[in-house]
Amino acid sequence: QITLKESGPTLVKPTQTLTLTCSFSGFSLSTNGVNVGWIRQPPGKALEWLAHIYWDNDTRYNSSLKSRLTITKDTSKNHVVLTMTNLDTVDTGTYFCAHSPGVLAPFQSWGQGILVTVSS
Amino acid sequence: EIVLTQSPATLSLSPGERATLSCRASQSVSYYLAWYQQKPGQAPRLLIYDVSKRATGVPARFSGGGSRTDFTLTINSLEPEDFAVYYCQQRSNWPPVSFGGGTKVEIK
Repeated sequence: QITLKESGPTLVKPTQTLTLTCSFSGFSLSTNGVNVGWIRQPPGKALEWLAHIYWDNDTRYNSSLKSRLTITKDTSKNHVVLTMTNLDTVDTGTYFCAHSPGVLAPFQSWGQGILVTVSS
Repeated sequence: EIVLTQSPATLSLSPGERATLSCRASQSVSYYLAWYQQKPGQAPRLLIYDVSKRATGVPARFSGGGSRTDFTLTINSLEPEDFAVYYCQQRSNWPPVSFGGGTKVEIK
């Protein structure tokens, strides 16, 4: 059974850096093709893809946010970490991590999400 | 960059009716098109992948179709638990992932 869980701060001040951790079990991020993505959702709005990391350590970023994002993995700890710099109130929303078993496969499993509020 | 446009934004229907949701891509996405269902306070749930394949445990009343740039999700005979927001999603070389803006299926 695959599980993912997001953790990190739920309240962040503008201009600060957000660090979120996705802890997972039931799969290995060293298996060929496996990848993990981060997706966010502002309150009442649609899903927005943020970043991706692949089994071979390749990374991809949403082009509009690329300068602010860093995604890394620790295969031995079964963690994926997303860092977002220079937060603004518009970054408020629920942040999800999700597992995909193949490069072009859909997200089969999702974490429960973590609501992050950016406010002074 | 591939942009997905979903329509309508809201679909008002009664239980037992059929729902037809549309997802249009700005360029061909081959068959790497998926649909998710999201209920309030929950993570999205995968329903359909590769255009028309049902994910594990998804009832047969859900079906997907289409090709290249035009795709549909059909829900035959809506059940009370089907009222939710539905998103289409594509996977490609670039961007690796994009989502549509969502269609809310609400009770009429």
